[in-house]
Amino acid sequence: DVKVTQSSRYLVKRTGEKVFLECVQDMDHENMFWYRQDPGLGLRLIYFSYDVKMKEKGDIPEGYSVSREKKERFSLILESASTNQTSMYLCASRPRTGSKNIQYFGAGTRLSVL
Amino acid sequence: GQQLNQSPQSMFIQEGEDVSMNCTSSSIFNTWLWYKQEPGEGPVLLIALYKAGELTSNGRLTAQFGITRKDSFLNISASIPSDVGIYFCAGRRGGSEKLVFGKGTKLTVNP
Repeated sequence: DVKVTQSSRYLVKRTGEKVFLECVQDMDHENMFWYRQDPGLGLRLIYFSYDVKMKEKGDIPEGYSVSREKKERFSLILESASTNQTSMYLCASRPRTGSKNIQYFGAGTRLSVL
Repeated sequence: GQQLNQSPQSMFIQEGEDVSMNCTSSSIFNTWLWYKQEPGEGPVLLIALYKAGELTSNGRLTAQFGITRKDSFLNISASIPSDVGIYFCAGRRGGSEKLVFGKGTKLTVNP
């Protein structure tokens, strides 16, 4: 079974703190994604990576950065957390585009910025 | 970014009833996926569809890839209380690495 593991289920941080959200997948997938999920807005793509050290901006990259130093790990970084970044963050991974390339999600990290 | 049009937004049904939800798009998709998300958890894949017209079942769930490739449907038969959650559709265009998501259908099942 594919496993996408997010390091924390719940996080509480203060405004201005630097925050790291970690995601690890165990299926050698090339593609990894970070989304945020807010009521009424659905899932919005923040960043994705299609290979080690490669990254592309999604729909809402402002205030975030990412790091992909190893294939299995994709980190989301909030350089200076703000209250409007309070949200549910979901990591996902998928093999490179091809037939039957299913995207798998982690359990999510609920981040509260006070 | 684009999102799919998913309806209905929410449903309140009695246990035993059948449920239908759908997603539509103005663009053609090569893949349609249906996910379920329970409170406090990440989305879990229910059904994946890869060909126009394809009809696929997973237990009491049945999903179809629309002939026009611009829509997909999910049906749940004989609902039970553990069906509660948010159901999302997602589509992928040919050559794209990204999925496009619907906003979800929140299902409540009254015992």
